[in-house]
Amino acid sequence: EIVLTQSPATLSVSPGERATLSCRASQSVSTNLAWYQHKPGQAPRFLIYGASNRAAGIPDRFSGSGSGTEFTLTISSLQSDDFALYYCQQYNTWPTFGQGTKVEIK
Amino acid sequence: QVQLQESGPGLVRPSETLSLTCTVSGVSINSFFWSWIRQSPGKGLEWIGYSHFSGSHNYNPSLKSRVTMSVDTSNNQFSLKLTSVTAADSAVYYCASGGSGTLADWGQGTLVTVAS
Repeated sequence: EIVLTQSPATLSVSPGERATLSCRASQSVSTNLAWYQHKPGQAPRFLIYGASNRAAGIPDRFSGSGSGTEFTLTISSLQSDDFALYYCQQYNTWPTFGQGTKVEIK
Repeated sequence: QVQLQESGPGLVRPSETLSLTCTVSGVSINSFFWSWIRQSPGKGLEWIGYSHFSGSHNYNPSLKSRVTMSVDTSNNQFSLKLTSVTAADSAVYYCASGGSGTLADWGQGTLVTVAS
């Protein structure tokens, strides 16, 4: 099983600032990596696939990068709606998820 | 717009079978792959498996011996059965649609507790 390690566990950011979230895989997943946003009590939201492709309807302030074992999700200018949990997920082998990064208001 | 809604018992007794249904609206179930995912405090998010209306399916190797998924095209629903449950199967269960590797749309989740 491929283990995904996300860092940091919690990221404190002021509105308007940039947020950078990391996801490291225990072995190469090529670019078979996705990102999701999750708010309590809501359905998770699909953000990024193929490491860097935005899903339909996702604002361009969200961007993904990386390949192999190192990946980054960047939110260029945080808006109030962006404070949430973020998960990475690999689908190079049986899909697995990271443990999540909480983006909170500083 | 694809909408998914999970339904089923919130409490299941140990050793019994957990059964959940996901009702799909906004799209025909004769498309995409249909998945179940769960989230427990101890294990985080775990992809249980996915099904296709054609009858194909793929299950998490760690759960394969206990999982059955099916697609009901006449009611635009799909279902999950997990047998011989224990407390470790207590979790929020989500249904979702997408490809065989990604999950484009999710339900809001339903909490299932395994207890006597």
